[in-house]
Amino acid sequence: GENVEQHPSTLSVQEGDSAVIKCTYSDSASNYFPWYKQELGKRPQLIIDIRSNVGEKKDQRIAVTLNKTAKHFSLHITETQPEDSAVYFCADLQGGYNKLIFGAGTRLAVHP
Amino acid sequence: ETGVTQTPRHLVMGMTNKKSLKCEQHLGHNAMYWYKQSAKKPLELMFVYNFKEQTENNSVPSRFSPECPNSSHLFLHLHTLQPEDSALYLCASSQDFERVSYNEQFFGPGTRLTVL
Repeated sequence: GENVEQHPSTLSVQEGDSAVIKCTYSDSASNYFPWYKQELGKRPQLIIDIRSNVGEKKDQRIAVTLNKTAKHFSLHITETQPEDSAVYFCADLQGGYNKLIFGAGTRLAVHP
Repeated sequence: ETGVTQTPRHLVMGMTNKKSLKCEQHLGHNAMYWYKQSAKKPLELMFVYNFKEQTENNSVPSRFSPECPNSSHLFLHLHTLQPEDSALYLCASSQDFERVSYNEQFFGPGTRLTVL
C-alpha cells in the first residue's frame, strides 16, 4: 500500500538556523501534500500544503518544495525560533481516495 | 464551543468494558475522521465519513465501531479492547469536494485512552 517516509526523526538546530525535513512517497497518483505541526500536548494543525501542479509554495518563514519525478517533498523553515519546536508531520493524499497517509513525524527542537 | 470538540478527554477502562468516545464539529464540515496516535504509529487513520457515509475503514478491528448520526457528530464505540489499544484518539473534520479532501483537516484535542 501507499507509504510515506519522513526524515529525520529528530532535528536539533540553533535559533536562527534553517531546518529541512524531507518526505518521500510511493503513489505516483498522489497530488496533494500537506504539512501539520503538533506542539507538545496540543492537536495537529495545518501549516502549509502544496498541490502537484506547483513545485514550490512559500508562507513567510516556511516553504514547501515538491519534486514529482523523484516523488519527494520537503519542508523548509528559515530563521527558526524556539516556538517552532514541535513535531512536524508530512502527509500525502492517496490518489483518488479521501485518505491522508502521514509520515512518522520529525521532532524539531530549536535551542535559544 | 468552536472548532472540533471531543469528550471525554481522558478515559481509563478495563478490557471487558464498553465505552464510547464522542466528537462534535461546529464548522459546518461534511467529512469526519477518527485517527489513532501512539508511539508506534504517530498518526494512523481509522475511519472516514463523507456526508454521513463511511467511505474508509482502514482495516480496523471490529472492537472499534464508528457511528455518524449526522454530519456534526461522530462516535467511536469501544468494546473488549486490549492494552495495546491504549493511545490518543483524535477526531478531525474537513470540508470536502466530491468526496476528496484537498482542504485542511481540523483536529480535536483528542481522548487519551488507557486500557487496563
